[in-house]
Amino acid sequence: GDSVTQMEGPVTLSEEAFLTINCTYTATGYPSLFWYVQYPGEGLQLLLKATKADDKGSNKGFEATYRKETTSFHLEKGSVQVSDSAVYFCALSAKANNDMRFGAGTRLTVKP
Amino acid sequence: DTGVSQNPRHKITKRGQNVTFRCDPISEHNRLYWYRQTLGQGPEFLTYFQNEAQLEKSRLLSDRFSAERPKGSFSTLEIQRTEQGDSAMYLCASTLAGRINYGYTFGSGTRLTVV
Repeated sequence: GDSVTQMEGPVTLSEEAFLTINCTYTATGYPSLFWYVQYPGEGLQLLLKATKADDKGSNKGFEATYRKETTSFHLEKGSVQVSDSAVYFCALSAKANNDMRFGAGTRLTVKP
Repeated sequence: DTGVSQNPRHKITKRGQNVTFRCDPISEHNRLYWYRQTLGQGPEFLTYFQNEAQLEKSRLLSDRFSAERPKGSFSTLEIQRTEQGDSAMYLCASTLAGRINYGYTFGSGTRLTVV
């Protein structure tokens, strides 16, 4: 079935470092792809999305490009801040499914 | 609208007791989802409703679990005879049926601890 595999964590970076969190997917159709962020003790917040191939989602300095040829949706940020420390989840939603499928999450810690 | 609201935020219960959680979705959203999230894992789908109809249930949803959405607005998730393995964060999310591919709005979750 449709699934998402994301880079295992934890990831620890210094402030202003470059961030990449890898995400690849398996889907029979043309899914929409998402990145969600979860801060401690809270639910998931939608960070960005892309609904078709070559779309780039962006928000708060984060970006991800929907790459159909490599079935990937890697999350990037040019300069991370301490406030970006959280768990990041890659997810997909396909018409064939009635639910969203999530990766296991990647914990990011940014140190000052 | 203040988003998706879940109550309680935390619940500690003794093994064997029944618990009930409530979710109030965004008012105009006709789809409501329940997910379970255990420590270090991503959310796993449990069930979803379109309006008041429960349209799909995951195999994760044992017969001790039941969910309702009686008037197509708020939903409840009940766990009977709780077990320690039920300890998890229970997340509710909502969206519009025609906008599934634009993402869900999640609540803050109910953290269940079974002792």
